[in-house]
Amino acid sequence: DAGVIQSPRHEVTEMGQEVTLRCKPISGHNSLFWYRQTMMRGLELLIYFNNNVPIDDSGMPEDRFSAKMPNASFSTLKIQPSEPRDSAVYFCASSLLGGGTYEQYFGPGTRLTVT
Amino acid sequence: GEDVEQSLFLSVREGDSSVINCTYTDSSSTYLYWYKQEPGAGLQLLTYIFSNMDMKQDQRLTVLLNKKDKHLSLRIADTQTGDSAIYFCAERTGNQGGKLIFGQGTELSVKP
Repeated sequence: DAGVIQSPRHEVTEMGQEVTLRCKPISGHNSLFWYRQTMMRGLELLIYFNNNVPIDDSGMPEDRFSAKMPNASFSTLKIQPSEPRDSAVYFCASSLLGGGTYEQYFGPGTRLTVT
Repeated sequence: GEDVEQSLFLSVREGDSSVINCTYTDSSSTYLYWYKQEPGAGLQLLTYIFSNMDMKQDQRLTVLLNKKDKHLSLRIADTQTGDSAIYFCAERTGNQGGKLIFGQGTELSVKP
């Protein structure tokens, strides 16, 4: 299996621009998670989906952030408009809910820099 | 609420054993996990333990769980320079679906 795939791996954009991060979970997994990692705040859960339905978005920082999962094999995290404080590494992870052990598998991350 | 705590740094000499500790607050935890993050990479699952176990061994890795004290540890035997990374513990509680609660990570530095 290819594992969790994220694109792009690096994104540099100017303040005010729209940013879209993409994730393809492991085939057969039915839960998907978006995390953000910074030096100051560590690893933060932003939102997660079960069976393509958002379950908990309490970690989404503000209305500038939105996430969608139109089907079982694709999710996006959008920031509009982006700000320098959004600079971070964004990880997507997937797991199999009901599979017994619930471990999450992480993608390689997207390093976002907003100037 | 749920909370997972780890010490931030650990430094050991190559060949020594490393012990990374973690405490959690939710007594309904069902599974506990250890992840490894190397620089510039995502989190890699190392191992996990079910809450009704007190020990799990996997090659150089030994996980100990003290459920009474809500304490989890990861022991790495014969630590190598390639083990230098950040190690995260995480718990899954019974009522959170697939959500895991992560600690802040312990940075392990292995000196030759």
